[in-house]
Formats: sequence, structure tokens, C-alpha cells
Amino acid sequence: NAGVTQTPKFRILKIGQSMTLQCTQDMNHNYMYWYRQDPGMGLKLIYYSVGAGITDKGEVPNGYNVSRSTTEDFPLRLELAAPSQTSVYFCASNSGGSNEQFFGPGTRLTVL
Amino acid sequence: GQSLEQPSEVTAVEGAIVQINCTYQTSGFYGLSWYQQHDGGAPTFLSYNALDGLEETGRFSSFLSRSDSYGYLLLQELQMKDSASYFCAVRPPGGGNKLTFGTGTQLKVEL
Repeated sequence: NAGVTQTPKFRILKIGQSMTLQCTQDMNHNYMYWYRQDPGMGLKLIYYSVGAGITDKGEVPNGYNVSRSTTEDFPLRLELAAPSQTSVYFCASNSGGSNEQFFGPGTRLTVL
Repeated sequence: GQSLEQPSEVTAVEGAIVQINCTYQTSGFYGLSWYQQHDGGAPTFLSYNALDGLEETGRFSSFLSRSDSYGYLLLQELQMKDSASYFCAVRPPGGGNKLTFGTGTQLKVEL
């Protein structure tokens, strides 16, 4: 199992540009999450999904969108990048009966 | 809402025991988790306390007291590789298994 994979690893965007952060898991987990982590801070939940076709907002959803068309994939979309979105983005997943979340390696995004 | 506070930094020597505290203000939650994150890495799960008391997993133990709104992670026989950030997290009521993370504690292990 590859676990949770994320692409790209690094990205620099200009203000106003758009991009999609990709996340895939091969563990057949129903639950998937997107977090952002600013330097020296904890993780904040952006969006989450409890299964294909079902998504919900987390703590900091503004400026982001998600979709969940398959169990494996949970892409995160930034429509109009802003400097405040400079952060490290982590995707995670787990099964409904587990308390352990499995995290991907992260995408380091800089908006200039 | 949920608010979890941790000391920002803790320093200890190799072989020692260190305790990382987590105090919280929350309207309710299912359990308290701990995650480890090395610099530049992803968080990895360490432990989960659903009930009050001590949970032991090898060199690591975690404790929860709901009446005191308090938990801690205890690391024994510290090794240099334990230098990392440690986060407590709660699973709030509602669906989705989502987590609210604390501010994190950076542990530095010295020789």
C-alpha cells in the first residue's frame, strides 16, 4: 500500500491563480480530510468527506472547494490564490471505526 | 467550540522522562489523540484515550482526565529521534471523525 499520496510536493502561485491539490488513498477509507498548517502552528481542518459524494466544511473553508467523486480521491481546489493561503496542506484519511488518521506527505504552497 | 493549549517548547536530555501537557476548553468530545511530527514531515498517530486513565504503548503513555480538562503524553527513555513536535487533538461531537488540533509542543532532546 502506498497509503495517502499528495501531488505536487511544492508549488509557487501568483496572486489570483488557481490550482488543484491532489490527494489519493489506497486503503479504501471512507473518511478523508484536508488540513492546513501554518509555520509553528497546529493543523486546521479545511474540508472533510465521509464518503464518495459527501463533503462538509471544516474550521477554515473560505477560499477552497473540494469534491469526492470516488472513494480514493479527494482533490482540494484553490480558485483565487491569496498570500494568506501560503501554508503546508495535508490530506488524511481513516476508516469509520478507527481513531487513527493517516496523513499524506504534504504540499508546500507559496502564494506571491 | 474547542480550544487546546500546549507548552510551545520542552527540552530534555537523552534517557530522561518528559511530560507534555494538553489543557482544553471544549463543550464535549469523544476522545483525546496524540500525534508526532518531525520537521518537514507528516503527522503520525501515537495514541488515543477514549476514557479517563493511562494508555501505554511502548515508551509512550498518554493520560486523560475529563474532570480536570487535562491530558498529557509521557515519553520515557528519551532518544534523539524523539525530537519532534507533538500535538494533542480532540474528536468533537458530530459526524466525520474530524479532529481539532492543539497548538503543538516542540520537544528538543539533548545529549
